[in-house]
Amino acid sequence: GAGVSQSPSNKVTEKGKDVELRCDPISGHTALYWYRQRLGQGLEFLIYFQGNSAPDKSGLPSDRFSAERTGESVSTLTIQRTQQEDSAVYLCASTAGTIESQFFGPGTRLTVL
Amino acid sequence: AQSVTQLDSQVPVFEEAPVELRCNYSSSVSVYLFWYVQYPNQGLQLLLKYLSGSTLVKGINGFEAEFNKSQTSFHLRKPSVHISDTAEYFCAVRLISGYSTLTFGKGTMLLVSP
Repeated sequence: GAGVSQSPSNKVTEKGKDVELRCDPISGHTALYWYRQRLGQGLEFLIYFQGNSAPDKSGLPSDRFSAERTGESVSTLTIQRTQQEDSAVYLCASTAGTIESQFFGPGTRLTVL
Repeated sequence: AQSVTQLDSQVPVFEEAPVELRCNYSSSVSVYLFWYVQYPNQGLQLLLKYLSGSTLVKGINGFEAEFNKSQTSFHLRKPSVHISDTAEYFCAVRLISGYSTLTFGKGTMLLVSP
């Protein structure tokens, strides 16, 4: 597709359940990033993937969060045993090169009841 | 580590008035600077960026920003705003080396009224 896509657009879940969020980056983009945007806050970096390098997981808030990426395509962010404080918009971005801008998807709004 | 401060959480302005959204950053090494806009219920869209060269950068929708290294600022300006400019604006920085991540400010909500 022409842009970064994310699914689902909205997810409502119960506390304690696991959720999986999906990101399809722009074709050919080698780097992929996950950010979290909580209400009234800026974006927090979670994790990023670059080619075949080990992902930078330094932003993951706890071991309940994990992410995978298959080659240079789709990525999934998994949150296990969700908590209410996980409620946020999860944004994915991709970029083609080191000086290129990051292009963002529309986000997944996660609500944990 | 880098940090970004957007001093105003909300800026109300009348249509056709000029506006300036302030951004200051802190970093011990050189950074690239960005402004993104987020319209309601949408993802982030790049407005403009400063990588090098001229300190005055022009972006989409009539916005421009000026990089001031001595004041570590990157304020966003528009000479005449429209109702459609109502959105949240985020200033961000990233290291110039490699595929570093963006560090964002908390955002400024621009509210344009008739």
